[in-house]
Amino acid sequence: EVQLVESGGGLVQPGGSLRLSCVASGFTFSTYWMSWVRQAPGKGLDWVANIKQDGSEIYYADSVEGRFTISRDNAKNSLSLQMSSLRAEDTAVYYCAKLVVVTATYWYFDLWGRGTLVTVSS
Amino acid sequence: DIQMTQSPSSLSASVGDRVTITCRASQSISSYLNWYQQKPGKAPKLLIYAASTLQSGVPSRFSGSGSGTDFTLTISSLQPEDFATYYCQQSYGHPLFGPGTKVDIK
Repeated sequence: EVQLVESGGGLVQPGGSLRLSCVASGFTFSTYWMSWVRQAPGKGLDWVANIKQDGSEIYYADSVEGRFTISRDNAKNSLSLQMSSLRAEDTAVYYCAKLVVVTATYWYFDLWGRGTLVTVSS
Repeated sequence: DIQMTQSPSSLSASVGDRVTITCRASQSISSYLNWYQQKPGKAPKLLIYAASTLQSGVPSRFSGSGSGTDFTLTISSLQPEDFATYYCQQSYGHPLFGPGTKVDIK
């Protein structure tokens, strides 16, 4: 079955750190760009970061640049998001998503995981 | 930055109704516009990419059109499983996603 399964969410204090993981199955993980997208409670979708197949290109939203690090391990079919200096506004469900990159300015998400909830609160 | 707007922000409709949702970009994005459906508590699902191409497995009652700055998502005959929130998405600039249109039962 083609799927993405996230884990690692939880409650963390402001200023703290957390590492999210996503395991892919059912497709050749190493041949696709991957992404993290988040959704604050009751809000819309908010792109977080993209990573190329071999990790040689990485892009972040301005809101997380310098605090979050996306990485991947193709041998383990896994994607990670290391989050540090967390703020209350980072509270969200974090989705792992498979990216289809057609051109540098045209891409879309064709497979999503179920998400993992991160709550930043004291 | 590109601003994405969607209208309406919400609508109430009945099963069998024809529903149209509009997405507008603040500058031309060619045909590089995608649509997603999200049900409560679930992950988003890709419906349409490149403005009008139906993703595999998506029912043919869904269709998309438009280019440049104005795009539409149409559900030709609303079914009970279509009550959800719909998002448009572009990748020319940030933010990527429109604010969403919630479709609920009349």
